[in-house]
Amino acid sequence: GAGVSQTPSNKVTEKGKYVELRCDPISGHTALYWYRQSLGQGPEFLIYFQGTGAADDSGLPNDRFFAVRPEGSVSTLKIQRTERGDSAVYLCASSWGNGNNEQFFGPGTRLTVL
Amino acid sequence: DQQVKQNSPSLSVQEGRISILNCDYTNSMFDYFLWYKKYPAEGPTFLISISSIKDKNEDGRFTVFLNKSAKHLSLHIVPSQPGDSAVYFCAATGGGSNYKLTFGKGTLLTVNP
Repeated sequence: GAGVSQTPSNKVTEKGKYVELRCDPISGHTALYWYRQSLGQGPEFLIYFQGTGAADDSGLPNDRFFAVRPEGSVSTLKIQRTERGDSAVYLCASSWGNGNNEQFFGPGTRLTVL
Repeated sequence: DQQVKQNSPSLSVQEGRISILNCDYTNSMFDYFLWYKKYPAEGPTFLISISSIKDKNEDGRFTVFLNKSAKHLSLHIVPSQPGDSAVYFCAATGGGSNYKLTFGKGTLLTVNP
């Protein structure tokens, strides 16, 4: 019944630290997406999962970013050695993945790297 | 290189009047277009979509028009209501097996009572 949820809602960290952002998609949705929205910009695609596998990770900016979805439901976006430029709102979305392009978004995690 | 462009950062209209939000795209592979609405501190919410095989789709007060030859689409809201005040994002996808969305920068709509 619930929509997409993301935790934490806010994360403040120091430059160089490691962070994990969690996404709980809508139950039954096979497709899961991560986007990043910087100030004054629209959301930008990071990675797409179909089930457990990352079908498209072409949007990840570099190898400090990694995401997993081990059981085909919850996903975790991991950022190593954070930089100030990583500060943004990280959005997760899910969909049925059956040709319906409507993606349901979570509220996002606001990451601030000091 | 912005593949989806919303050239108006903001738009202000009076309650009851029509709001027209515009969007242009450059990628000819895009075949499905969506509008999302976003309130502060919330994620984007799907509003309306249109396939490239159509030129118009209507849902209540919201109508999306697509001009493929001009690579242009617009969202019409009639009549506009104060609750419509939000940021509106135009998004596009190439379909196929990967439905990743490419978004514009958004337009802040303010509907004044």
